[in-house]
Amino acid sequence: SQKIEQNSEALNIQEGKTATLTCNYTNYSPAYLQWYRQDPGRGPVFLLLIRENEKEKRKERLKVTFDTTLKQSLFHITASQPADSATYLCALPADYGNNRLAFGKGNQVVVIP
Amino acid sequence: NAGVMQNPRHLVRRRGQEARLRCSPMKGHSHVYWYRQLPEEGLKFMVYLQKENIIDESGMPKERFSAEFPKEGPSILRIQQVVRGDSAAYFCASSPLSEGNTEAFFGQGTRLTVV
Repeated sequence: SQKIEQNSEALNIQEGKTATLTCNYTNYSPAYLQWYRQDPGRGPVFLLLIRENEKEKRKERLKVTFDTTLKQSLFHITASQPADSATYLCALPADYGNNRLAFGKGNQVVVIP
Repeated sequence: NAGVMQNPRHLVRRRGQEARLRCSPMKGHSHVYWYRQLPEEGLKFMVYLQKENIIDESGMPKERFSAEFPKEGPSILRIQQVVRGDSAAYFCASSPLSEGNTEAFFGQGTRLTVV
């Protein structure tokens, strides 16, 4: 099954700057990849889905890229705000043709006012 | 349309007791997934159910854990004879389609503490 790697160190970033998070996977190339946001004590909230034939996807200040050659997705928050402080999770199918999602451990973002 | 509802939010059990966690999916969703999250760990898949069927239980421990999603009523995750290692946050998610390439809607979780 997939191994998903996200940076374990928190990303501290100044308000207004762009935060960039990385998600690497090690096995087969998934048909899609998803990003979620999780706040302390809360359940994950879906943000974006990008398919294997899409290079880039945007939603408001969020941008996701998907490089199947590098087996990597980048998640960008532009013009970051303190309210963006949270843990961001990368998720993709656990196995080829499988419906269940495998999640990375998440990467914490702290936006400093 | 209410979101995914989990209850209780917090559950304290003594070692050896049973824990019963409930999940009501979003209206119109017939696919339910249970995940477990330990501190500093990622979400670990446990079981995937459709109405009256267990589709994938590859993440469930072989003993003490069971799940159901009856025709009527919420999905239930049951843990018998709980041990301290069962302390975790348990999240339920639902989706409207069988294909995984749609978003999953998560509940707020049940935090189980075994004392």
